[in-house]
Amino acid sequence: QIQLVQSGAEVKRPGASVKVSCKTSGYIFSRYGIGWMRQAPGRGLEWMGWISSYNGNTEYAKWLQGRVTITSDTSTSTAYMELRSLKSDDTAIYYCARAPVFDSWGQGTTVVVSS
Amino acid sequence: DILMTQTPLSLSVTPGQPASMSCKSSQSLLHSDGKTYLCWYLQRPGQSPQLLICEVSRRFSGVPDRFSGSGSGTDFTLKISRVEAEDVGVYYCMQGIQIPLTFGGGTRVEIK
Repeated sequence: QIQLVQSGAEVKRPGASVKVSCKTSGYIFSRYGIGWMRQAPGRGLEWMGWISSYNGNTEYAKWLQGRVTITSDTSTSTAYMELRSLKSDDTAIYYCARAPVFDSWGQGTTVVVSS
Repeated sequence: DILMTQTPLSLSVTPGQPASMSCKSSQSLLHSDGKTYLCWYLQRPGQSPQLLICEVSRRFSGVPDRFSGSGSGTDFTLKISRVEAEDVGVYYCMQGIQIPLTFGGGTRVEIK
């Protein structure tokens, strides 16, 4: 069955970077993209960006102001999301999901940004 | 960016009764390819979201047929014909026609 397994929780200081991984299995990785969303405490879902696992093309939400990079490794069927210059507002659960319709989701990775 | 507005904010439903919720987009979600790029997701308490419906009314594999989607252009509705206890959670609509993809604020469904 299709599975997306994300890396574990992180605690970071303001200004630091975080890199979350999303290891997939159960389907041909290169045939689907991976999208990244986040959910701040008590809030709704925000789309951050996505990557085509076929050609590596990416698109990002402009509100992230160039702080995010999404990559993928086809040899391990794993996608990554790196967020830089962390602020307390970046405290959230980060989700990966199989694109384009997000029909399978990872379990979420909690990232806490605190001094 | 396309703004997605969901109403009501919350619903309290007796098991076995129907429920209905609305999602409105600030721009038409009808693409030139003839498809309308509107999906619905359910996020149960403490869980990741799960896909229910895409292209307005196409149920995802394994989704019970008590869930149905309808609408066109900018106005969409998700209906649950007979609510069950497992339907509790927050329902989100999402538009997929334009980057950035955007979600509605959600409708919370609880059981009376």
